[in-house]
Amino acid sequence: QKEVEQDPGPLSVPEGAIVSLNCTYSNSAFQYFMWYRQYSRKGPELLMYTYSSGNKEDGRFTAQVDKSSKYISLFIRDSQPSDSATYLCAMSAGGFKTIFGAGTRLFVKA
Amino acid sequence: GAVVSQHPSWVICKSGTSVKIECRSLDFQATTMFWYRQFPKQSLMLMATSNEGSKATYEQGVEKDKFLINHASLTLSTLTVTSAHPEDSSFYICSARVTSGIWGYEQYFGPGTRLTVT
Repeated sequence: QKEVEQDPGPLSVPEGAIVSLNCTYSNSAFQYFMWYRQYSRKGPELLMYTYSSGNKEDGRFTAQVDKSSKYISLFIRDSQPSDSATYLCAMSAGGFKTIFGAGTRLFVKA
Repeated sequence: GAVVSQHPSWVICKSGTSVKIECRSLDFQATTMFWYRQFPKQSLMLMATSNEGSKATYEQGVEKDKFLINHASLTLSTLTVTSAHPEDSSFYICSARVTSGIWGYEQYFGPGTRLTVT
């Protein structure tokens, strides 16, 4: 079993839809949770980060962490074609190593 | 957010030659730098972790003599692919970590370097 599981998609939605991206994990020691967005042939861009459980909102993006269920989510409201990218979840127990999910490819159709 | 640069962005080399990729943190000092490799439509694969002035720590299966990492300063790390072969063709991405008093650390990625070995 992988430490972090993420559905690779692809996920295709119409413009304006609410997008839900999710990851599950097995290591209960993870405390730091991140979401990255990666456009084709580019490096990942840090979108959101949260510590421990709870929600965090930044514009159209909301990150949720449920440590009891070992489940994290990223919601994108009013999705735009420019949101089309691969979204990677990442998490860490606070040491040097950050574990990444496989990435979910998202397509937002105009 | 902080900016990490990589150079070159794209390099083509002949089999048997060596290639050096530079990674710089432009507006912050990175306590730790990471090198990743990414194949098409796959996630990031950590190759090695390095701290300034120390030897890099390589992940299992990564040849340290083939992928030489030098972390010369808090803002510069280099990856040299020695005696490159076509199977080394990939997207190499560096990442820099900076400690943050708010929640521990933040990790930023460079734009990546596409290496093609012919």
